[in-house]
Amino acid sequence: LAKTTQPISMDSYEGQEVNITCSHNNIATNDYITWYQQFPSQGPRFIIQGYKTKVTNEVASLFIPADRKSSTLSLPRVSLSDTAVYYCLVAGGKLIFGQGTELSVKP
Amino acid sequence: EAQVTQNPRYLITVTGKKLTVTCSQNMNHEYMSWYRQDPGLGLRQIYYSMNVEVTDKGDVPEGYKVSRKEKRNFPLILESPSPNQTSLYFCASSPNPQGYYNSPLHFGNGTRLTVT
Repeated sequence: LAKTTQPISMDSYEGQEVNITCSHNNIATNDYITWYQQFPSQGPRFIIQGYKTKVTNEVASLFIPADRKSSTLSLPRVSLSDTAVYYCLVAGGKLIFGQGTELSVKP
Repeated sequence: EAQVTQNPRYLITVTGKKLTVTCSQNMNHEYMSWYRQDPGLGLRQIYYSMNVEVTDKGDVPEGYKVSRKEKRNFPLILESPSPNQTSLYFCASSPNPQGYYNSPLHFGNGTRLTVT
């Protein structure tokens, strides 16, 4: 089963780009990589998903190297409302979330 | 509105008193699962179900039961709750019947359980 490792916390300032890296050394061939955002007292919310290379949507980009043993979530020009916990998830029948990265965006 | 609904949002109970937390989704999803969230431990999967009448253990199934008699409902049952089951619980669903490979999970808003 793939296990993920992320930094526990990160700090940033408004307008900066934030990159959060997740390590998943034991990722399986069929596994996708998905990132979620969670605000206090709410359920996690889907941000972006990818299998390999780069994926971009209206809120984030996801970079996955060829060996797929890690992935990086990139949030462009963060605002105060991006302060949240971000989870990397590697999919399978049993879903294993990492501990999450608590991102704090300051003015 | 497409959603996953959990009830109740808050629950305080005493040790040993059986309880059920309900979860219902209106998206016709095949896959449903339960998680608990504790400080410093992130989200841990309790049980999951890939289809009606098909359930399997996640990482932390001890002390919990589930059932999947209908596609839309996936209740979490604590037969004899203990204080170490005090936690924030989330239900989630996904359209992918193979346990979610390329379909995002949709989460409910959580149930905060306190067992005294």
